[in-house]
Parts: sequence; structure tokens; C-alpha cells
Amino acid sequence: QSVLTQPVSASGTPGQRVRISCSGSRSNIGSNTLNWYQQLPGTAPKLLIYSNHQRPSGVPDRFSGSKSGTSGSLAISGLQSEDEADYYCAAWDDSLNGWVFGGGTKLTVL
Amino acid sequence: EVELVESGGGLVQPGRSLRLSCAASGFTFRDYAMHWVRQAPGKGLEWVSGINWSGATITYSDSVKGRFTISRDNAKNSLYLQLSSLRPEDTALYYCAKDVGQLGNWYFDLWGRGTLVTVSS
Repeated sequence: QSVLTQPVSASGTPGQRVRISCSGSRSNIGSNTLNWYQQLPGTAPKLLIYSNHQRPSGVPDRFSGSKSGTSGSLAISGLQSEDEADYYCAAWDDSLNGWVFGGGTKLTVL
Repeated sequence: EVELVESGGGLVQPGRSLRLSCAASGFTFRDYAMHWVRQAPGKGLEWVSGINWSGATITYSDSVKGRFTISRDNAKNSLYLQLSSLRPEDTALYYCAKDVGQLGNWYFDLWGRGTLVTVSS
């Protein structure tokens, strides 16, 4: 049981917009910034969104993040086949004094 | 090239110990906090432990507290994780990850490829 809650799966067709939610509590998302990681099949995770909505250099602007209260979301517009991956949200938890992850969402491009 | 390379994984019996290493290159290692994150086969990511830039502040997940020990050697640009009293549920790919800040509560901007630990008799 992960501290942050994400849907197990999501899907969309090429060109569509999909949104992945992440729900937490006051001690994690409610008090700290939300980050997202993308894990392509067979590879290590990669930073996708940091500080709620910032994109690292090289990440396409098709990816966007937002946060409100104790929840956040990742949106992917203009879905492409190469976006098929597992997506994880993460935040620092003040009560646990450590990092917490969501269980991950497997995105399928139909 | 900026990279993290983990090593030290392998097959180990329950109750035994193992030491993982992470070699950093391409950035000023001593300026950043570092972490270990693991991923059990077919499962999600789980943060294991973090250490601040100097090694003075260390945190662990409840699942490994008292059994695992994180450390770093800034002179050798290396991060370590001593795994003791290993259990089958510790079986996972262990990733080394760099924090973007000194304290360890910002985010992870660089990951290694991982080293696999299998705990089985």
C-alpha cells in the first residue's frame, strides 16, 4: 500500500490527452512539492516534472504537472507511442521524514 | 559524462549481508545529497534511504531501519548501502539517485541503472 495513490493504469490513442492523478495527505503533497518520474520499459526512472510543474531540460512541453492541496496530476497532450511507460509521483513526507512514492501508473498507447 | 554506476548486487541467503556501492562521476559529488531507491520485480519504486551532502544527516524507510546502513565517501565520489539481516522481501533492483539539493528533500535528477539483489536460500 503506497502512501501516495495513483491509478494502476491509464490509456489513450495517439494525439489524445491523458491525465494521471496522484493523491496524498497534508504531510506530503500538502506540505511539499510534487515530482513525477517516467520509467520506460527496462530502464531506470527519469525525472519528468519537478516542483509541481517544472520541466527539466529536454522534456517536451507536451508533459505538464499541477498541484492543488493534497493532490496533483500529470497531463500528457498529443500522446505518442513512445510515451508508453510507467509514471510515478513522489513527494517528501514531513511525518515520515522520508520520500514517498505513488504505486505507479502504467500508461498504454492504444 | 554525468553518471551513477551501482555495483555489489548478487544472490545472497536470508539473514546474510551485502554491501552495495555507487560510483559517481561528472559532477561535484560532495555538494549533493544522495539516495537509494529500490524496485522489487514487477513492482513500483520504494525509497530506501537518504544521506545529506556531508553524511551528517541520514534517514531510512521503516522497512529497512535497523538493518541497512547508508554511508558516503566524498573523497572517493562514492555512496554505499550495507544490507544486513536480509529477507526475501528485500529482493529488488537497487538504484542510486542524486538529489538536486544538499539536504535530501528536493528531488532526484539523476539515477543509475541499478544493481540486482536477490535474497533466497
